[in-house]
Amino acid sequence: SAVISQKPSRDICQRGTSLTIQCQVDSQVTMMFWYRQQPGQSLTLIATANQGSEATYESGFVIDKFPISRPNLTFSTLTVSNMSPEDSSIYLCSVEVPQGSETQYFGPGTRLLVL
Amino acid sequence: AQKITQTQPGMFVQEKEAVTLDCTYDTSDQSYGLFWYKQPSSGEMIFLIYQGSYDEQNATEGRYSLNFQKARKSANLVISASQLGDSAMYFCAMREGLPGGYQKVTFGTGTKLQVIP
Repeated sequence: SAVISQKPSRDICQRGTSLTIQCQVDSQVTMMFWYRQQPGQSLTLIATANQGSEATYESGFVIDKFPISRPNLTFSTLTVSNMSPEDSSIYLCSVEVPQGSETQYFGPGTRLLVL
Repeated sequence: AQKITQTQPGMFVQEKEAVTLDCTYDTSDQSYGLFWYKQPSSGEMIFLIYQGSYDEQNATEGRYSLNFQKARKSANLVISASQLGDSAMYFCAMREGLPGGYQKVTFGTGTKLQVIP
């Protein structure tokens, strides 16, 4: 498995501002993922972040709104830009650990409330 | 069509009893993986169990077992001897390959399990 931390754990932000969420892993991993979980909903993949290349965004998510950095094999950031109340969600970072099952392990999440 | 279907939005189980959470999936891939995650009210996603499409035996991890019926495309989670700490949301997920060698995990809508003392 992998130990994953996220900062901040929660935040309350004003609309129109931006928030950068950090994800740190205790081992080097190739694949990192960012998910959004809106209140009462399931997880939706925002983008896949590989070190040294541009993130791959899912349909409905764009780089201008959710810029991602992946400077090395243990760290990534997701920025939620120009926030609106609809961005209020839990944002989860996950990593894929190739142990035959290529299981994804998740960070504790960042709870974001936009007023 | 939904890739992962969980038809039970909520379930109740008596403490110490067994419970089955349903999951069906849809894929044309021959090679895929099925996962179950637990999400307590704290929000973290906890990996429980994995089943590969080529695995002939049903996966087991302690009190968790995965009832894999490939022909029916179902991957139900069985929790034996339920405990109060099992009360949580449970998500079924599937990893499949997409064009270009890209792998993606899709999650179901979840089942909220409540264990009754």
